[in-house]
Amino acid sequence: DTTVKQNPRYKLARVGKPVNLICSQTMNHDTMYWYQKKPNQAPKLLLFYYDKILNREADTFEKFQSSRPNNSFCSLYIGSAGLEYSAMYLCASSSRDRGTEVFFGKGTRLTVV
Amino acid sequence: QQQVRQSPQSLTVWEGETAILNCSYENSAFDYFPWYQQFPGEGPALLIAIRSVSDKKEDGRFTIFFNKREKKLSLHITDSQPGDSATYFCAASPASSSFSKLVFGQGTSLSVVP
Repeated sequence: DTTVKQNPRYKLARVGKPVNLICSQTMNHDTMYWYQKKPNQAPKLLLFYYDKILNREADTFEKFQSSRPNNSFCSLYIGSAGLEYSAMYLCASSSRDRGTEVFFGKGTRLTVV
Repeated sequence: QQQVRQSPQSLTVWEGETAILNCSYENSAFDYFPWYQQFPGEGPALLIAIRSVSDKKEDGRFTIFFNKREKKLSLHITDSQPGDSATYFCAASPASSSFSKLVFGQGTSLSVVP
């Protein structure tokens, strides 16, 4: 099963409220990623977990938090949503030992109003 | 700064024609170039990939041509089918990274008309 599951598929949030997005995979991958995709823009890497080590990209360092309570699950947390956070959020996973293929979930579409 | 660029933004071809999708990059450290195919409502899925030591990679009707000197690559889809209608993302990853930290282009939306 090469499935990355994301919940929910659609999320509506109020400006200033927190948002928590969930991702899971059953491939025993050691690395999980979060990408942000806005219309007509390239998917942008926000952060990734290797095992229990969180790596955040420099320009998104203060905007997003994440947790990985176990190998299978990873969350993306926005403490106070702004209109600019409206986007598709793609979770992905890969394994350092099995090559470079990255498997993506179907995404969560977040709309902030 | 857009490190990976794709053109055209959208492309329409007739069934049976060859679709050519272009990609260019700026960072000489990139050495792995996957193409991802995404259908509406689905996540991107790996279609085909090439490493910078090769200049061509074929998989059925899909071929990547790679020009390291010019930092350009292209995806050729021969005998295009309506089922190939999707968004195609070119991505790149540096050899120095132990992780698949992909840098994506903005995508090309392909429509294949019967």
